[in-house]
Amino acid sequence: AQSVTQLDSHVSVSEGTPVLLRCNYSSSYSPSLFWYVQHPNKGLQLLLKYTSAATLVKGINGFEAEFKKSETSFHLTKPSAHMSDAAEYFCVVSAISSGSARQLTFGSGTQLTVLP
Amino acid sequence: DAGVTQSPTHLIKTRGQQVTLRCSPKSGHDTVSWYQQALGQGPQFIFQYYEEEERQRGNFPDRFSGHQFPNYSSELNVNALLLGDSALYLCASSRTQRNEQFFGPGTRLTVL
Repeated sequence: AQSVTQLDSHVSVSEGTPVLLRCNYSSSYSPSLFWYVQHPNKGLQLLLKYTSAATLVKGINGFEAEFKKSETSFHLTKPSAHMSDAAEYFCVVSAISSGSARQLTFGSGTQLTVLP
Repeated sequence: DAGVTQSPTHLIKTRGQQVTLRCSPKSGHDTVSWYQQALGQGPQFIFQYYEEEERQRGNFPDRFSGHQFPNYSSELNVNALLLGDSALYLCASSRTQRNEQFFGPGTRLTVL
């Protein structure tokens, strides 16, 4: 079984300040972890992924995340927020559930607001 | 290279009707997964198709069924629609054994 908990449903930051979106996971297997972003009325775009290589993962648009096995966390950060970062962010865990099937389990999402 | 495409974009149905949603995967991808995203929630896994067979299923009733064609495209069928089936339905494609799934823009289904 696998699950994801996003600790904040809403995060509000000022433009130019750091962003921290928190995520904890649970998985019976060695997991792969992802962050996806969803802009209003749009599909999901992959920001970054962790697949058991380097624990610090760099993604698109200046985002990065650190996999901490001891804390079962995969928090998303960005040094300086931009207005265009305002969107819904989803932390996702993936593990082989049966055969070759890989099922994605999504967190409930964090709405990021960027204030001018 | 076209990404994942879905049709239609929007759909309005009434309770009890049946609906079919369509998905074409990204070029080179052979696995299609379907997700339901209710308003204000994260996507929920419905099922996954590979080699024209359902490989894995989430916690959805039998009213939800699917199909995958030899060209890897897929359909999602929902029978006896309920108001609670109103949601954004997302299709994602991937290559066998690969982690990364690419999502389409979704189909917005409204059940009245």
